[in-house]
Amino acid sequence: KAGVTQTPRYLIKTRGQQVTLSCSPISGHRSVSWYQQTPGQGLQFLFEYFSETQRNKGNFPGRFSGRQFSNSRSEMNVSTLELGDSALYLCASSTGQGASGELFFGEGSRLTVL
Amino acid sequence: AQKITQTQPGMFVQEKEAVTLDCTYDTSDPSYGLFWYKQPSSGEMIFLIYQGSYDQQNATEGRYSLNFQKARKSANLVISASQLGDSAMYFCAMREGVDSSYKLIFGSGTRLLVRP
Repeated sequence: KAGVTQTPRYLIKTRGQQVTLSCSPISGHRSVSWYQQTPGQGLQFLFEYFSETQRNKGNFPGRFSGRQFSNSRSEMNVSTLELGDSALYLCASSTGQGASGELFFGEGSRLTVL
Repeated sequence: AQKITQTQPGMFVQEKEAVTLDCTYDTSDPSYGLFWYKQPSSGEMIFLIYQGSYDQQNATEGRYSLNFQKARKSANLVISASQLGDSAMYFCAMREGVDSSYKLIFGSGTRLLVRP
């Protein structure tokens, strides 16, 4: 069974640009959530999608957005990049149902903003 | 106030010995779940163990066990017989509510170094 796949693994952008990150969840999983990891702020929840609907959103500016497609694949977009957006972006996949549903993470997309 | 507190930024343990990583949490929701993840230098978060708030017994998964003390709101991870490959960051996380979305709140992590 294939795990969670995130692309690209590494990318470098400059301030003001935008970036799109992709996440393919485990087959059969309908929930995809995104997290930002930085040395200063740690791991912070961005948003979660379940069956193409955003179910929850973290405390991030509107420059951060996401979507989920009918095949459960998800993308997140960051517009007008700032230096502080440099981070490891982790995607997590889950069935999306049940109290003990565990989240399976991908290896992350490491974004550097220059 | 922090909802998940990991007070040990870094720890050392001798190979083959046991180690306990501390985690305390704060929630008013009677239904919640507690998770431990391992993050090696590659960046991937690896699920280790889960404990539900209504679970009567402490969770165990191979060499990992969770010392769940509900009244004290603590969920410490015990790793028995440490191996060199256990060197990594360890994160405690909480999910509140049964029907809410799959949002995890993470602690700041503990870096574990296993000495040969």
